[in-house]
Amino acid sequence: NAGVMQNPRHLVRRRGQEARLRCSPMKGHSHVYWYRQLPEEGLKFMVYLQKENIIDESGMPKERFSAEFPKEGPSILRIQQVVRGDSAAYFCASSPQGKGYEQYFGPGTRLTVT
Amino acid sequence: GENVEQHPSTLSVQEGDSAVIKCTYSDSASNYFPWYKQELGKGPQLIIDIRSNVGEKKDQRIAVTLNKTAKHFSLHITETQPEDSAVYFCAASGRDDKIIFGKGTRLHILP
Repeated sequence: NAGVMQNPRHLVRRRGQEARLRCSPMKGHSHVYWYRQLPEEGLKFMVYLQKENIIDESGMPKERFSAEFPKEGPSILRIQQVVRGDSAAYFCASSPQGKGYEQYFGPGTRLTVT
Repeated sequence: GENVEQHPSTLSVQEGDSAVIKCTYSDSASNYFPWYKQELGKGPQLIIDIRSNVGEKKDQRIAVTLNKTAKHFSLHITETQPEDSAVYFCAASGRDDKIIFGKGTRLHILP
């Protein structure tokens, strides 16, 4: 049973470009969460999605950031017009239906903005 | 909202000794407390968890305790081994299933 998959593992973007981070949840999981981790910091919640629905986006910056989890395919975290401060590790987690507290994390995407 | 404090930020213990990491939480509605281990370059891995209706839980060399009244919970690792070196995160979750993480403890196991 494959775990949570994220790609790419490393992403380098110049200031002003767009970054797209993908997350495939564990088989049978219908909930996806995105977190951001800055160096030497804990994980900060960004957004919680179910298929075709954003449930909680209280941790998402109001501008430039968006997330989706379509009916088919992976969840996408999109960052437009990236700035140096967006450099961080972005982790996706998934959980089974009815057990949102039981989250399993992917390996993360390390975004570097030059 | 929930706030989770974690101490210490760095901990060095001799191989074979015990390590203890302590956390406090602020929201009395939180009822689920997972602990994650994060190795360099990897995502956090759930290693043990405890629910608010239980005071203690053990799994081989790791144990967690919870004091609901004081809103404290702790991770205990006995007979530490080199592979225990990692960053450990405590977390708390409540009604909305949102997980709030502590800032992490970097555990070094000294040979």
